[in-house]
Formats: sequence, C-alpha cells, structure tokens
Amino acid sequence: AQTVTQSQPEMSVQEAETVTLSCTYDTSESDYYLFWYKQPPSRQMILVIRQEAYKQQNATENRFSVNFQKAAKSFSLKISDSQLGDAAMYFCAYRRLYTGANSKLTFGKGITLSVRP
Amino acid sequence: DVKVTQSSRYLVKRTGEKVFLECVQDMDHENMFWYRQDPGLGLRLIYFSYDVKMKEKGDIPEGYSVSREKKERFSLILESASTNQTSMYLCASRDRAWANVLTFGAGSRLTVL
Repeated sequence: AQTVTQSQPEMSVQEAETVTLSCTYDTSESDYYLFWYKQPPSRQMILVIRQEAYKQQNATENRFSVNFQKAAKSFSLKISDSQLGDAAMYFCAYRRLYTGANSKLTFGKGITLSVRP
Repeated sequence: DVKVTQSSRYLVKRTGEKVFLECVQDMDHENMFWYRQDPGLGLRLIYFSYDVKMKEKGDIPEGYSVSREKKERFSLILESASTNQTSMYLCASRDRAWANVLTFGAGSRLTVL
C-alpha cells in the first residue's frame, strides 16, 4: 500500500523568507501523481501544485515550487517570499496514475505552517 | 469555478442519533468522496462514489454509510452516532478525467455528545 509521510508537524517562517516543507512517500509504482494541498484556517482545501512522476522537470506555480526526487521518493514544497496568507495546514498527497475512474488520493498527516510578520 | 457545498458547517448531535451530512457539487463531476480529518491523522477516506448509485468503501468505512441517488449529491450517514465520530468531515468531487484534482467543500464539524 502507498504511504505518505510528513514528519514535521509544524513549521514557522518569517514573512518574505523562504520555507521548505518535506514529504516522502512509499510506492512500488513507477507512474503516479503527487500533490500539495493547502488548507487555510477557513478550512476549504485547495490545490497548490501538482507533479507527474514521469516528468523530470519540477513543477512551479508562482511562488510555489517542488523538489521532486523520484529515486529518493521525496517531494518537498518550497514557498518563496512567504506571505501572511500562506499560513495554513499543508498536505502532501499521492495518487496512482493508471487506476481508472475510482482512483483515490492518499494524504499525509499535514504540516501547520505559521508566518511571522 | 467548481463549487462543492456542504450543507452544515457545524453540527452537535447526541450519541445514538442518526446524522446526515449532505454534499452537493455543481459541475457534473462523476466522482465524489467523503474524508474525515482528525489532528495528527490527516485525511482518511471513508467512502467514495464513482457514479450515481455506485459506491466503494474507503479506508475507514465502519460506522458510516453513503447515498448517491443523484449525480450532484453525495450524502454521508451515521446510523447511530458515537462520540468517536466527533470530527471534521470533508466532501470532495472530481471529474472522471484521470489528470484532474479534487475540489473540496468547506467541511462539516460534527460534535457527538
């Protein structure tokens, strides 16, 4: 079974600084998706970034980028120029690529990020 | 934008009561999901539905059932609520295209006394 591990329960960053959130996963599959979701205090979960395992290039979305190390099964999220609105819980998630209509995501336990003004 | 609406943000129920949590999405998505979120445990999948009247158990289905009579609506049912079902419940939907991601509702915070 696939597992997703976020070993740090909490992190803090100074506004305008850069922070990296760690995630490792375990799978025997070669093709899969990885995701970072953000859950602000209002509780609605939103997608931050997505990475396809078959792509060597790391995904980037504005201030958010990932460091995807397939051999090491590591998928970290880097937030540059941190803003107060980045304060949230962040979840790493995994999904197999070829599973058809009823595929599902496996989530990590999440990490709470606080941003200091 | 896709909207996933959960009917109740906060509920307080008594042990043994039957509880319905409703979720409606407005983008004709085939797949819908119910997750439970607890501190230190992350999100755990309770049930999912890949089409009308179709459902599959997730990782923690015990004590729950679901209903999907219409494509836009996916209900989570607690037949006899217990205190260990006090939690945040998140509904999500996704269309069938395998590349797509989940869209979540705002969550329903259930307290069972």
